[in-house]
Amino acid sequence: QVQLQESGPGLVKPSETLSLTCSVSGGSINSHDWGWIRQPPGKGLEWIVNVFKSGNTDYNLSLQSRLTTSIDTSRNQFFLQLRSVTAADTAIYYCARYEERGFDYWGQGTLVTVSS
Amino acid sequence: QSALTQPASVSGSPGQSIIISCTGSTTDVGAYNYVSWYQQHPGKAPKLMIYDVNKRPSGVSNRFSGSKSGNTASLTISGLQAEDDADYYCSSYTNSLSWVFGGGTKLTVL
Repeated sequence: QVQLQESGPGLVKPSETLSLTCSVSGGSINSHDWGWIRQPPGKGLEWIVNVFKSGNTDYNLSLQSRLTTSIDTSRNQFFLQLRSVTAADTAIYYCARYEERGFDYWGQGTLVTVSS
Repeated sequence: QSALTQPASVSGSPGQSIIISCTGSTTDVGAYNYVSWYQQHPGKAPKLMIYDVNKRPSGVSNRFSGSKSGNTASLTISGLQAEDDADYYCSSYTNSLSWVFGGGTKLTVL
């Protein structure tokens, strides 16, 4: 059973960088594709990025200029960095496995609040 | 990329069937058979219910079914049960090599 767990600071100051880690267990990170999705409190889902095992990446065009992703296969982890954050980036951030054109396994989500 | 359009809320009684619509455009829903649906209970992560318009992941009840016509996809839930009370989101692949979600629909089982 694949399990995902997000981790990172719960509070980030405006204009700084949001950094999150997704730790994967129950499967090799090399064998699958992965994604990040966020959800502002009380609002709908927003897709952020897909990271493919091929090394390719698909980005939400509205966020692309502020995004960096990476993978550490030795630790079975993948990462998200979002630069120059504002209050609009306050959300629950989920990592998920992307399989068969759907996100079939999700982490529990981590709330990131952007505030001074 | 604009969000897909879903009704804000739908409701039904136990045993009944309901349909949730998801309207996009010729650049997303109408362009690909890559529509998925997610169920989300309060405080929980979303759960994949349908992918590729009408395919069910292993373990998802056959009471859930999907379809598509033109730029509109639909999720049908038959034999409504109390546990179906949740938020539902559609999602579609787009010609920008990206994914877009709908605004979500609150299903109330009366």
